[in-house]
Amino acid sequence: DQQVKQNSPSLSVQEGRISILNCDYTNSMFDYFLWYKKYPAEGPTFLISISSIKDKNEDGRFTVFLNKSAKHLSLHIVPSQPGDSAVYFCAANPDYGQNFVFGPGTRLSVLP
Amino acid sequence: DTEVTQTPKHLVMGMTNKKSLKCEQHMGHRAMYWYKQKAKKPPELMFVYSYEKLSINESVPSRFSPECPNSSLLNLHLHALQPEDSALYLCASSQDGNSYNSPLHFGNGTRLTVT
Repeated sequence: DQQVKQNSPSLSVQEGRISILNCDYTNSMFDYFLWYKKYPAEGPTFLISISSIKDKNEDGRFTVFLNKSAKHLSLHIVPSQPGDSAVYFCAANPDYGQNFVFGPGTRLSVLP
Repeated sequence: DTEVTQTPKHLVMGMTNKKSLKCEQHMGHRAMYWYKQKAKKPPELMFVYSYEKLSINESVPSRFSPECPNSSLLNLHLHALQPEDSALYLCASSQDGNSYNSPLHFGNGTRLTVT
């Protein structure tokens, strides 16, 4: 049973517009959430994270929103750039532990 | 450049071979991880070392044997693997793995093919 879900396998966005990637989770013990970006033949790169005590965290072009009651988080990228084209993984961690669980990923394509 | 270094980048081995994957980090992190990633799937946790002690083993078959010689190094010893073990093996580290705001930092992985 998937504890972290990313229901959109792929997303295409025009350069300069907003990209919104979504993630849902089922385990109410998760309290630390992260987004990673992965290019082919490379390991995942950490982008941004959020603790369950917050509902928003912003870092440059990247903003993560957390809705605990809905068990939903999203990553906003504004403005989107062609270099943002990659697979994005949502990850979650229970009780600040070590068992990071990853979603299946969403492939983002930013079109020039 | 990634701050977690994995060697080799590619490895082809037969089912009777013994080989090792190596991982090194110099960020002062005290938790190190092995993940396995199959094509078009998310990374799956295999092992976690915290302060050089094995803290998590996700029911991984004994043909995979982890080792943490010191806080900067992590090895994965492979023996008698099966073709279905072919995957990208990712090493990661985190500050200490038991506190808030301690994300994983990944290496670029070893692409393993078992023939």
